[in-house]
Amino acid sequence: QKEVEQDPGPLSVPEGAIVSLNCTYSNSAFQYFMWYRQYSRKGPELLMYTYSSGNKEDGRFTAQVDKSSKYISLFIRDSQPSDSATYLCAMLYSGGYQKVTFGTGTKLQVIP
Amino acid sequence: KAGVTQTPRYLIKTRGQQVTLSCSPISGHRSVSWYQQTPGQGLQFLFEYFSETQRNKGNFPGRFSGRQFSNSRSEMNVSTLELGDSALYLCASSLLGQTNEKLFFGSGTQLSVL
Repeated sequence: QKEVEQDPGPLSVPEGAIVSLNCTYSNSAFQYFMWYRQYSRKGPELLMYTYSSGNKEDGRFTAQVDKSSKYISLFIRDSQPSDSATYLCAMLYSGGYQKVTFGTGTKLQVIP
Repeated sequence: KAGVTQTPRYLIKTRGQQVTLSCSPISGHRSVSWYQQTPGQGLQFLFEYFSETQRNKGNFPGRFSGRQFSNSRSEMNVSTLELGDSALYLCASSLLGQTNEKLFFGSGTQLSVL
């Protein structure tokens, strides 16, 4: 079993929809949680970074962490065609420098 | 400020050969890490270097090695290539490699092993 599970999709939504992306993890030692966006033929780009349980908002993006359920989510409001990309959840142990554990990614397509 | 630069962008090799990939981090960044990305396994951590020392290593065979130079540039080497080594190899850099720092990725080197 992988430490981090993520539905690969693909997920196809109409422009303007609310998108929900999710990951579950098995190791309670993970303390830092991130979401990356990766466009085709590009490297991942950090979108959101959270440490504690709860919500963190940045523009149209909201990251949610529930450590008790080992479940993290990313919500995208008013989705745009430019949001079409692969979204990767990622996690870090405390004191683990930057040995990041990634989910396999969810491919999102926003249709105009 | 220039981003993380990886060369070459594409590489085709045959089984049994060896390959060297190069990464130039963002100016001032001293931590460089390497990841392998495949459709089935996603991104997997290879190793991380800081001040020319390997500080962390993932679960890859000894055929995968790396090094970092005094100017923080890094190289990754894969010897005796196997078909399964076909992947996108990504390099990332950060200031000191601490958990609360943002990681910046390059666009990767796409390696195909025939």
